[in-house]
Amino acid sequence: GNSVTQMEGPVTLSEEAFLTINCTYTATGYPSLFWYVQYPGEGLQLLLKATKADDKGSNKGFEATYRKETTSFHLEKGSVQVSDSAVYFCALYPNTGNQFYFGTGTSLTVIP
Amino acid sequence: ETGVTQSPTHLIKTRGQQVTLRCSSQSGHNTVSWYQQALGQGPQFIFQYYREEENGRGNFPPRFSGLQFPNYSSELNVNALELDDSALYLCASSFKGGEETQYFGPGTRLLVL
Repeated sequence: GNSVTQMEGPVTLSEEAFLTINCTYTATGYPSLFWYVQYPGEGLQLLLKATKADDKGSNKGFEATYRKETTSFHLEKGSVQVSDSAVYFCALYPNTGNQFYFGTGTSLTVIP
Repeated sequence: ETGVTQSPTHLIKTRGQQVTLRCSSQSGHNTVSWYQQALGQGPQFIFQYYREEENGRGNFPPRFSGLQFPNYSSELNVNALELDDSALYLCASSFKGGEETQYFGPGTRLLVL
């Protein structure tokens, strides 16, 4: 079956620190992988995605590389800002089917 | 181009009641998906609608039902509400065949007492 496991939170970092949020997946076939971000009181916003092995998704300084051999899609940012405080969700979309599978989310708080 | 909108933003109901949540899809999108996000959890797929018909369903009982209208807007109906139905309900729209790219609305927060 399809599932996503991501790092438990909450995560608290100082501004300009390095961020890693781990995500691993189980899937049949070759899914596309995503990171979504949810700011307080809002819906989900697509942060980045990768559609095949070894692809790197990037946006707003965030990066994640699709690693088929380790079934992982870890999110990284070199220098976080206070405005990055949010909940981050890793998700997969299988190549057959019509639904997303989300992880449980990781809450990030960045302090000045 | 307008984004995905949902109404109402918040709702309080009592156990056993029925509720209807509404979603207007992004301009030009013909497919709508609904997700339930319980507190502290990731969104769970409820169902998807395309051409006014259900086009896939997650692990939710039949008391969760939906509609899609000719203008592609959609409703989610939940009958016989239970306390565990308290959650944020998210609607997402996309093009048929391009469901990987879904645009999410802000959600409706439902509290069942």
